[in-house]
Amino acid sequence: AQSVTQLDSHVSVSEGTPVLLRCNYSSSYSPSLFWYVQHPNKGLQLLLKYTSAATLVKGINGFEAEFKKSETSFHLTKPSAHMSDAAEYFCVVSDRGDDKIIFGKGTRLHILP
Amino acid sequence: DTGVSQDPRHKITKRGQNVTFRCDPISEHNRLYWYRQTLGQGPEFLTYFQNEAQLEKSRLLSDRFSAERPKGSFSTLEIQRTEQGDSAMYLCASSPEGRATQYFGPGTRLLVL
Repeated sequence: AQSVTQLDSHVSVSEGTPVLLRCNYSSSYSPSLFWYVQHPNKGLQLLLKYTSAATLVKGINGFEAEFKKSETSFHLTKPSAHMSDAAEYFCVVSDRGDDKIIFGKGTRLHILP
Repeated sequence: DTGVSQDPRHKITKRGQNVTFRCDPISEHNRLYWYRQTLGQGPEFLTYFQNEAQLEKSRLLSDRFSAERPKGSFSTLEIQRTEQGDSAMYLCASSPEGRATQYFGPGTRLLVL
């Protein structure tokens, strides 16, 4: 069975400093992994996805994530936070043999001026 | 805009009433998914369709819930005899095929009084 754990429910960083949002997954097969962002009163937007090509995945808005099979992790990073990055971020896993996707509980990112 | 749309965006109803939500997927997408998101949680899978066929239903989908996609295009989600515990954001997503990236609509926020 697949599952995903987001290790922090809230993360606060100052504008201009690096962002790290942590995610660990469990999957019976070779997984697909995604990060989605949800701004208040807006729909979920795909940031990036991993599907077994390069382990370092680049997404939109300067975000990237690295797939580490040995650590079963898929942490999301950004070198320099911007005020507009304040939102809820969800790590998502999908087994290759399953059409369903499983969401983590989310990490709320706060950007301090 | 050719993204996923949902109607209504907000719904307030009294306990015991029936409500119906509509989702219009991206036009070429065969797959359509419904999720429920409660406060502080990630979206949880409810059900999905391949064209007009409903392929899977979650145990979260009690017998008060029914979803249809009669012509393989838009879908409706009906909740009968609403309860306060049904208060949540109901999200719809679509994808061109199984195990592909899902694109989400803005959601319908339901409040049951």
